[in-house]
Amino acid sequence: GDSVTQMEGPVTLSEEAFLTINCTYTATGYPSLFWYVQYPGEGLQLLLKATKADDKGSNKGFEATYRKETTSFHLEKGSVQVSDSAVYFCALNEIAGKSTFGDGTTLTVKP
Amino acid sequence: NAGVTQTPKFQVLKTGQSMTLQCAQDMNHEYMSWYRQDPGMGLRLIHYSVGAGITDQGEVPNGYNVSRSTTEDFPLRLLSAAPSQTSVYFCASSTGRHTEAFFGQGTRLTVV
Repeated sequence: GDSVTQMEGPVTLSEEAFLTINCTYTATGYPSLFWYVQYPGEGLQLLLKATKADDKGSNKGFEATYRKETTSFHLEKGSVQVSDSAVYFCALNEIAGKSTFGDGTTLTVKP
Repeated sequence: NAGVTQTPKFQVLKTGQSMTLQCAQDMNHEYMSWYRQDPGMGLRLIHYSVGAGITDQGEVPNGYNVSRSTTEDFPLRLLSAAPSQTSVYFCASSTGRHTEAFFGQGTRLTVV
């Protein structure tokens, strides 16, 4: 079945540091890929997405590229801020309504 | 815009009690899903629906029932609560597999 593997966390960075959160997936077909962010006490919200190979999703300085050859969708940001502290989830969709999520990576950014 | 609304936000149940978690969306989305979130385990799919009158099981369906009588509502029923069902429950809706899911604020359930 489908699966998503995220780098183990938590991750602690200083403000303005470079961020990478690794995500690899296993799927039988051609899934769409997503990064969601969750702030304390809230539901998940979309950060960015890519629907086909070599697509790059971007939002709020975050980027991720759909790499079919390495089955990866790594999240990057060049300069993190304290306000980026949250839990980040990588997810895939092969069937509508039936998303598969990674375990989540907690990011803490210190001033 | 209300989006996806879940009620209640918090609930404490005794073992063996039953209850219904409510979920409603006002975006006319065809697809709706229920997930549970446990520490270190991400979100796991309980049940999902591809339209009114159609539901199917996800990864962890045991102990839960769902129905979808309207496009807007997708309630989740716990038949006989167990401590293992202590979790945070999220309802989500979407329009297709290339589009993002919209999540409710979650229901934090504790079974004692």
